[in-house]
Amino acid sequence: NAGVTQTPKFRILKIGQSMTLQCAQDMNHNYMYWYRQDPGMGLKLIYYSVGAGITDKGEVPNGYNVSRSTTEYFPLRLELAAPSQTSVYFCASSYSGVGETQYFGPGTRLLVL
Amino acid sequence: AQKITQTQPGMFVQEKEAVTLDCTYDTSDQSYGLFWYKQPSSGEMIFLIYQGSYDEQNATEGRYSLNFQKARKSANLVISASQLGDSAMYFCAMKNVRGSTLGRLYFGRGTQLTVWP
Repeated sequence: NAGVTQTPKFRILKIGQSMTLQCAQDMNHNYMYWYRQDPGMGLKLIYYSVGAGITDKGEVPNGYNVSRSTTEYFPLRLELAAPSQTSVYFCASSYSGVGETQYFGPGTRLLVL
Repeated sequence: AQKITQTQPGMFVQEKEAVTLDCTYDTSDQSYGLFWYKQPSSGEMIFLIYQGSYDEQNATEGRYSLNFQKARKSANLVISASQLGDSAMYFCAMKNVRGSTLGRLYFGRGTQLTVWP
């Protein structure tokens, strides 16, 4: 199993550009999550999904959108990138939400200039 | 609202010694899970250990143990026999297991552990 994979690993965006961060998992997990980690901080939840077709906002959803058409993929869309979105983005998955650990991808480092 | 507090921005320990990383949490829920993750300088998040709120025994995973004191709302990570490879950022996290926040992890700000020879 590859686990949770994320692409790209690193990206530089100009202010106002858009991009999609890709996330895939091959563990047949129902729950998937997007977090961002700002320097010196813990992770904050952006969006999450409890299954295909079902998504919900986390703590910091503004400026982002998600979709979940299949169990395996959970892309995160950034519209009109801003410097405040400079961060490291982690995708995670778990089989259920109850007592299950979340498995994290390697992260995408995004720099908005 | 759920809150995780890690009061030690940095900790230093000599190789082969034990170290305790502090974590306190705040929740009004009775059912929750507590996690510790390790983040080395390479950036990935590595799951270390889990403790359920109804677990009577402290969780252990190899050199890692979780000192769970429910009444004090603390979930400290104990690393025994520290190794140089343990140098990393360590995050405490909590998950509710009921309600609309089901499955969401709340993270502390982390503790940077440095192991010296």
